[in-house]
Amino acid sequence: QQQVKQSPQSLIVQKGGISIINCAYENTAFDYFPWYQQFPGKGPALLIAIRPDVSEKKEGRFTISFNKSAKQFSLHIMDSQPGDSATYFCAASIEGSGNQFYFGTGTSLTVIP
Amino acid sequence: DADVTQTPRNRITKTGKRIMLECSQTKGHDRMYWYRQDPGLGLRLIYYSFDVKDINKGEISDGYSVSRQAQAKFSLSLESAIPNQTALYFCATSDHFRGSGGGTDTQYFGPGTRLTVL
Repeated sequence: QQQVKQSPQSLIVQKGGISIINCAYENTAFDYFPWYQQFPGKGPALLIAIRPDVSEKKEGRFTISFNKSAKQFSLHIMDSQPGDSATYFCAASIEGSGNQFYFGTGTSLTVIP
Repeated sequence: DADVTQTPRNRITKTGKRIMLECSQTKGHDRMYWYRQDPGLGLRLIYYSFDVKDINKGEISDGYSVSRQAQAKFSLSLESAIPNQTALYFCATSDHFRGSGGGTDTQYFGPGTRLTVL
């Protein structure tokens, strides 16, 4: 059973456009929601993360929007660039429970020049 | 130099063979993890370890075993490899710092091992 559901599976965006990736979860005990970015041939790397006490977190062109009541969170990439082309994973964990991370199935983003 | 290293990077083996994947880290983290990545399935946790004496099963541990030889080393074994264990395997470490403003929970991944079981 997938603890974190991610969509879409793949996404193609024009350069300068906005990329949006969505995730949903069921376990209300989750209290840490990171996004990881993975380039081909590399391991995933932390991109940005949020905790449920805030509804939005922005770092440069990357923003996480968090909706606690809907149990959903999303990654927005503004002014998407070809260098953003990668696979993105959302994840969820429970702090103090042992740091087990539950990852989404990933979204392959292609930004067309 | 890479903080989390994995060896080998690529391996092709035959059904029934015993395989060991190794992971070393220089980050000084106590927590280490093994994941497998499959297309369309994302990253799934196989085993995790909080210290040398603490090893726990993840969601897909069947067919795998692990050994935490030292704080810096965590190896994954496939006792008798089968074709559906063909996947990309990642080792990760994590820090867990709790400060006055909350904590940090970041997983640091190695470069991965591509395993093919024929």
